[in-house]
Amino acid sequence: DTGVSQDPRHKITKRGQNVTFRCDPISEHNRLYWYRQTLGQGPEFLTYFQNEAQLEKSRLLSDRFSAERPKGSFSTLEIQRTEQGDSAMYLCASSGAGETQYFGPGTRLLVL
Amino acid sequence: GIQVEQSPPDLILQEGANSTLRCNFSDSVNNLQWFHQNPWGQLINLFYIPSGTKQNGRLSATTVATERYSLLYISSSQTTDSGVYFCAVVHSGNTPLVFGKGTRLSVIA
Repeated sequence: DTGVSQDPRHKITKRGQNVTFRCDPISEHNRLYWYRQTLGQGPEFLTYFQNEAQLEKSRLLSDRFSAERPKGSFSTLEIQRTEQGDSAMYLCASSGAGETQYFGPGTRLLVL
Repeated sequence: GIQVEQSPPDLILQEGANSTLRCNFSDSVNNLQWFHQNPWGQLINLFYIPSGTKQNGRLSATTVATERYSLLYISSSQTTDSGVYFCAVVHSGNTPLVFGKGTRLSVIA
């Protein structure tokens, strides 16, 4: 068990470009969550999956954002036509039979 | 939605001092977690504590669900305890964690 991993750890992009982030949860965990954290704030929920089904999406998740978990294992979060306001830390978490959520190291996105 | 308030927002301690961080929440919860976010942004699980009391070394936590608050105690603080401490809850029937704004702790040698 190596914990939750995320890739890349850092991403710098220009406004208008598309970016994709990957999250690998703890192997036996069936729930996977995406959160976003801006400077000085706590993380905010974006979306979550149980196995491959996307069960809930926050209103923060505009139509430029899409998330997938095609085989119920890893997940990707794509942001299309990035804006400067998308600059944030994107955090992935997973949980199993218990309620405890375990977080990955995050992907820091900077949109220039 | 459920509101989570943490206090104090900032705390500066001399190494060796004790501290108490508070988390108030506005509705019933079925999950409450305390995290420490290190300077690199990693959220480290401290406690899963929807009710009761737990201890782990110099840290302990108590949640009184009926009164809608949780406390995190740090004893004999060390410089490595510096960082931001978050409380996060799951409102009954829902799954995502709702975070407070955190308490920024600075421990000075």
